[in-house]
Amino acid sequence: DGGITQSPKYLFRKEGQNVTLSCEQNLNHDAMYWYRQDPGQGLRLIYYSQIVNDFQKGDIAEGYSVSREKKESFPLTVTSAQKNPTAFYLCASSMGWGLNTEAFFGQGTRLTVV
Amino acid sequence: SQQGEEDPQALSIQEGENATMNCSYKTSINNLQWYRQNSGRGLVHLILIRSNEREKHSGRLRVTLDTSKKSSSLLITASRAADTASYFCATDGTANTNAGKSTFGDGTTLTVKP
Repeated sequence: DGGITQSPKYLFRKEGQNVTLSCEQNLNHDAMYWYRQDPGQGLRLIYYSQIVNDFQKGDIAEGYSVSREKKESFPLTVTSAQKNPTAFYLCASSMGWGLNTEAFFGQGTRLTVV
Repeated sequence: SQQGEEDPQALSIQEGENATMNCSYKTSINNLQWYRQNSGRGLVHLILIRSNEREKHSGRLRVTLDTSKKSSSLLITASRAADTASYFCATDGTANTNAGKSTFGDGTTLTVKP
């Protein structure tokens, strides 16, 4: 099955801890993205990567970090510097930049600070 | 800043009725996309309409685009209980041609009662 997989589905973090959310795709897409969604709201872009070994900050990058060492993987680390990390995190991929194509989304990771 | 804004925020209809959702945006776009999100899940792409198109159909879905009014509408005909979900519009500005980097609105929550 081709698709984009996020894990874990639920994640609990203690205050002051870093946690890493996994995102893997086997669609051979060049571009990958991380979004944050708060209750009743739309998606806000955290980071995006248009190609391997390159990534750019989105609108709300503070307190987050990413890496793109492999085409199929784009993990997101929520650091202790993120003051309000409880949210639903969505990863997406698309064929490439410069093309008007649809984005494919994972099923999300719900992060809760305890 | 938010580009797409959906209206209404919430819509409740009976099965078999039509549902219309609207999206307004502020700046020029390359294309506009509609996505669906079931509660607690990822987004699923429904339809993409380019700035030079006025109307597009996909099954029971009809999307219109009026670039002079900077608005789009999504019509779901003969609605079913399974159409219950949140619907988001996403716009790619003329300075940004990458689908996943689209700017999302806060969505319309549609409830279809059996």
